[in-house]
Amino acid sequence: DQQVKQNSPSLSVQEGRISILNCDYTNSMFDYFLWYKKYPAEGPTFLISISSIKDKNEDGRFTVFLNKSAKHLSLHIVPSQPGDSAVYFCAAHTGTASKLTFGTGTRLQVTL
Amino acid sequence: DVKVTQSSRYLVKRTGEKVFLECVQDMDHENMFWYRQDPGLGLRLIYFSYDVKMKEKGDIPEGYSVSREKKERFSLILESASTNQTSMYLCASSLVGMYSNQPQHFGDGTRLSIL
Repeated sequence: DQQVKQNSPSLSVQEGRISILNCDYTNSMFDYFLWYKKYPAEGPTFLISISSIKDKNEDGRFTVFLNKSAKHLSLHIVPSQPGDSAVYFCAAHTGTASKLTFGTGTRLQVTL
Repeated sequence: DVKVTQSSRYLVKRTGEKVFLECVQDMDHENMFWYRQDPGLGLRLIYFSYDVKMKEKGDIPEGYSVSREKKERFSLILESASTNQTSMYLCASSLVGMYSNQPQHFGDGTRLSIL
């Protein structure tokens, strides 16, 4: 039972354009959402998060949008850079414990 | 900066062996986690601990156990390794937060192969 889904396993975007990574969830009890970035042979690193009481959070080139009615969130990267090429994981948290539920990841490739 | 250190980057063991994966964090975090990452399945939580000597099962605890004798150290134990436990294992730690807006910090992973 995959409660957090990333339906696109891979995405290719040209340098300078916008990258949009999508994530859907099924559990309405999730109260916090996070995006992690993972390079090969390294652990995931935290990128940006959003509380369920907000619909947008921005940090530099990265913006996360949350649509609670659709149970959907997205990560926008503008402009995309070659160093953004990595696997991106969406994760969701419920308030009753400190554990996260992760999606399956989307591999982003930013081409020159 | 938070540092989460996993004792081995690569490990090769044989079926039936008892395997220990060690993780140490240096930021006095209360929470520690063990995940495995497999292609197409993302990160799946094996066990986590929110205090010394405390542990909770994650989503896939079968075949694993954990130990947390000190706050900074969290060990994952494969009691009798099997080939289906070949995977990338990731350790993480985090502070306790009311709504857990404290992100988890990950180590670089241990790639474990069971032959």
